[in-house]
Amino acid sequence: AQTVTQSQPEMSVQEAETVTLSCTYDTSENNYYLFWYKQPPSRQMILVIRQEAYKQQNATENRFSVNFQKAAKSFSLKISDSQLGDTAMYFCAFMNWNYGQNFVFGPGTRLSVLP
Amino acid sequence: DAGITQSPRYKITETGRQVTLMCHQTWSHSYMFWYRQDLGHGLRLIYYSAAADITDKGEVPDGYVVSRSKTENFPLTLESATRSQTSVYFCASSEGGRSTEAFFGQGTRLTVV
Repeated sequence: AQTVTQSQPEMSVQEAETVTLSCTYDTSENNYYLFWYKQPPSRQMILVIRQEAYKQQNATENRFSVNFQKAAKSFSLKISDSQLGDTAMYFCAFMNWNYGQNFVFGPGTRLSVLP
Repeated sequence: DAGITQSPRYKITETGRQVTLMCHQTWSHSYMFWYRQDLGHGLRLIYYSAAADITDKGEVPDGYVVSRSKTENFPLTLESATRSQTSVYFCASSEGGRSTEAFFGQGTRLTVV
């Protein structure tokens, strides 16, 4: 079974600073996708960034980038120039299409951006 | 409205009552999912469906029933609600295949008293 671990239940960062959220996962599969979802207080789940396991290049979306270490099964999210609107729960998720397209989520990290 | 919608947004029910949470998507996505969100657990899969009339259990299916007679609808029923089923419930859909993401509804906050 696939599992996803996020070891930081809560984090805080000053506005304009950089913060890194950690995620590790466990799988025996070789091909899969990894995602970071953001959940602001509105409760809406918003895709932040995705990474395909067969691509060595780390994904980047504006201020968000990942550090994907396949051998170590690590998938951290770096947020640069943090903004107040980044305050949210962040969930790391794993998906392998051989398992019914199911998304397996970590427990989440609550990020607070401080003014 | 285009997208995926859940109803109701909030629901309070009594222990032992049957409750149905609705989910509707307009994209004709093949896959639909029900998750529950609890503090410290993230989102856990209750049931999923790969197509109309095809459903399967997820990680925490006990006490829940689903059906999918039409591609666009995926209702979740709590047959006899218990306090442990107090949670936020999310419905999601995805197109399927290798290049895809899950799209989520707004969630339903269910309280069982």
